[in-house]
This record gives sequence, C-alpha cells and structure tokens, in this order.
Amino acid sequence: EDQVTQSPEALRLQEGESSSLNCSYTVSGLRGLFWYRQDPGKGPEFLFTLYSAGEEKEKERLKATLTKKESFLHITAPKPEDSATYLCAVEGRGSNYKLTFGKGTLLTVNP
Amino acid sequence: DGGITQSPKYLFRKEGQNVTLSCEQNLNHDAMYWYRQDPGQGLRLIYYSQIVNDFQKGDIAEGYSVSREKKESFPLTVTSAQKNPTAFYLCASRVWAEVNYGYTFGSGTRLTVV
Repeated sequence: EDQVTQSPEALRLQEGESSSLNCSYTVSGLRGLFWYRQDPGKGPEFLFTLYSAGEEKEKERLKATLTKKESFLHITAPKPEDSATYLCAVEGRGSNYKLTFGKGTLLTVNP
Repeated sequence: DGGITQSPKYLFRKEGQNVTLSCEQNLNHDAMYWYRQDPGQGLRLIYYSQIVNDFQKGDIAEGYSVSREKKESFPLTVTSAQKNPTAFYLCASRVWAEVNYGYTFGSGTRLTVV
C-alpha cells in the first residue's frame, strides 16, 4: 500500500524567510510524485510532477526535488500570496493509476 | 478554456435524502475521479472511472454511487447510507495512462447535512 507523510503539518514564515516542506513516501515502484497548492475552499492547483530520483523542477519561488524516499518543496523568499496548503501525492505502479495523498502542510507567510 | 466544472458549489442535505454532485470536464480526459476531503485529513478516493461505462470503488466507496455514461460526465450520488457525508468533495480527471501530465481538479462541492 502506498503511503505519504508530509511535514511539518503547519509552517509559519516571515516574508522573505526561505524554507522547505517535506514529503516522505513509500511506494512499490514510483510512477510519479505530484505537488499541488490548495487555497481555502478551492480545488488543488497543479504545481509539479517528478518521476525519478535526482529530478528537480522550478516555478517562480518554488523548487521541487526528489529522492528515492522523499521529496522537498523549497520556497525561496516567500511572499504572503504563497500562503496555502501544499499537498503531496504519489502514483505507484501497482496503484492502477490512482493517487495517494498526504495530509498537507499549511503554510502561512506573514508580511 | 478547458477545465472541470463541479456544481453546485454548496449543497445541503437532509437526513435520509440522496443528493447528486455534478462533475463535467471538457479536457477530453479518459479517467475521472471523486475524492473526499475532511479537515486534517488527506484526500481520500471514493470512486474512479478509467473509461466510459466502467468504474471502480476507491478506498471509501460505502454510501456512494457513480455513473459514467459519457466521457465528459461523472456524477456522484451521496446516498442515505452514507452516515457522515458532511465534507468537501473534489472531482479530478487525467489523460489515461499518460504519465507526463498532472491530474486536473475541479473547484469542489461543499456538502453539509442539516
């Protein structure tokens, strides 16, 4: 059974204070690891898909990295508008094309 | 613009009542999914469909039913057998077996039992 654990559950940063969110996973053959951003009362917004260890992807102030056991979402010089819940999910090769989600990290960036 | 439309945005259900949540996509995606989100929990899969006229149970299918008569539509019915239906419901879609693509989500329906 695929499992995803995200940490911390909540993170409060000052504007400009860089940090990282962690996503640890166990899966029988990774097909893809997904990062999403979710604002309150909205559906998740796609950020990145990572497929193999060593892969990195960037988008504005966000950078996602992947190892064989975990993924990091690095946030550089965050702004208040980066405040949201960040969700991590995996799709394993034995999952029949289904996602398993972590519980998310609630990020708050104070001005 | 292509996307997923969920309706209604808010829905209120009386005890013992069945209600249906709508999910329509114009992305020409093959697979569609229904998730339930509760505070402090990750998204949990209710049902999914990989092709028209076929669907499979997810992890928490009890008390729910679906149909997939058209590629574009995947409605979810919350039956009276679902004892704790108050939650945020999300519909998603993806191109079948295409890995180089993220799942697309709708904006959600918040269901409340009154």
